[in-house]
Parts: sequence; structure tokens; C-alpha cells
Amino acid sequence: LAKTTQPISMDSYEGQEVNITCSHNNIATNDYITWYQQFPSQGPRFIIQGYKTKVTNEVASLFIPADRKSSTLSLPRVSLSDTAVYYCLVGRGGGGDYKLSFGAGTTVTVRA
Amino acid sequence: SAVISQKPSRDICQRGTSLTIQCQVDSQVTMMFWYRQQPGQSLTLIATANQGSEATYESGFVIDKFPISRPNLTFSTLTVSNMSPEDSSIYLCSVVIDLRTEAFFGQGTRLTVV
Repeated sequence: LAKTTQPISMDSYEGQEVNITCSHNNIATNDYITWYQQFPSQGPRFIIQGYKTKVTNEVASLFIPADRKSSTLSLPRVSLSDTAVYYCLVGRGGGGDYKLSFGAGTTVTVRA
Repeated sequence: SAVISQKPSRDICQRGTSLTIQCQVDSQVTMMFWYRQQPGQSLTLIATANQGSEATYESGFVIDKFPISRPNLTFSTLTVSNMSPEDSSIYLCSVVIDLRTEAFFGQGTRLTVV
């Protein structure tokens, strides 16, 4: 599984856009990039997954450059409830590698 | 999606004893996993629970310490054996419904060993 590097923490304010960049220099051709969100006392929750270019859903956008060695999760107009730990994972197969390898994650704190 | 029920949600146990954690899913799933999350840390995969056969353990985890069962496509148990304070963690069950979907996680079992 490819190793990922992301910032340990980020602070933001309500209504701002939060962008978390994840580095994955040794990503393989078949690897997908997946982001999970974890609130305190809960299990991780799937946010978004992509292979290249841009993916958008109702929660976030995922930007992947052509070399795929990094990716950026974008959370538009965050609220206090977006305070959580965000994990970037890289894995193989069409649905990602189900033996998920979690890195340290990024703790996002949203303030009023 | 899948609704995952983990029991117990939390427990305080004496060292040297064992605790069995149950994971029940509301639909049949292809794959089931067990993770550990130590206080303030990220998640670490313990093992893949295989239906009708022995679980597949990751490096650093052994069957004698963490026996796992998966009798059918909706249920699995993880036992933490001969517990010590170092086993105090959150244990999470994760499932994959089919190979086209993402992984879903239970709420976790918070274990404290005293």
C-alpha cells in the first residue's frame, strides 16, 4: 500500500473553504485515492474517492493532478460540525484496497 | 450502505480476563475486518475475518491473543484474550458490501483494562 503524508492539523472558521493536501509519491497505476472522515467516538465514514482529475459529490471535491502524486480534498463552506479527523488512503482495485492502511490523518478544527 | 451494530459499546475489564466483541450487519457483506485504534492514534488493521475459516492476521497480531470468528455473512466476533492495560483501545468492525463499494465502519467498542 502506498504511503501517504498529510498535515497533522488545520484550523479554519465557519463558512471558509478547507483544502487538505495529501502526498502519495509512490502511488501505483491501479491505485485509487479515498478520503474518510472520523468524528470523536465514531468509526470512520467514507467521504469521496477518485482516480484522476476532479471528483465532486454533495460533501466535498477531490482534485488529483495528472501525475497523481498528490491529491487535495476540498470542503466548501465548513461548519462547526465539520470538525473531525480526515484520512487520506491510497489502495488498489476499482473500489480501493479494502485492507485499509490509515495514516495519521489531519485534524480539522472549525471555529465560530 | 450497511448498518453495523457493535456490542458492547464500551467495557471496563480486569487484566487477565477476556472480552468478546460482536459485530452484526443488517445485510450480507463480502468482507469483514477488525481494526484497533489506540487513544489519540490512527486505526490499525488487526485481521480480515474469513467466513468459515481462520482469520487472516496482520503483522504483530496473533490468533491466540485475538481469536476471531465469522460463522456467516452478517456476523463476526473478536475476542481480546488475557487482557493487559496495553489492550485499552477502541476496537472497530468494518465491512465491505461488495467489491464496488467503500468500506463501512461500526461505532466501535471502547475497552479499558484496569
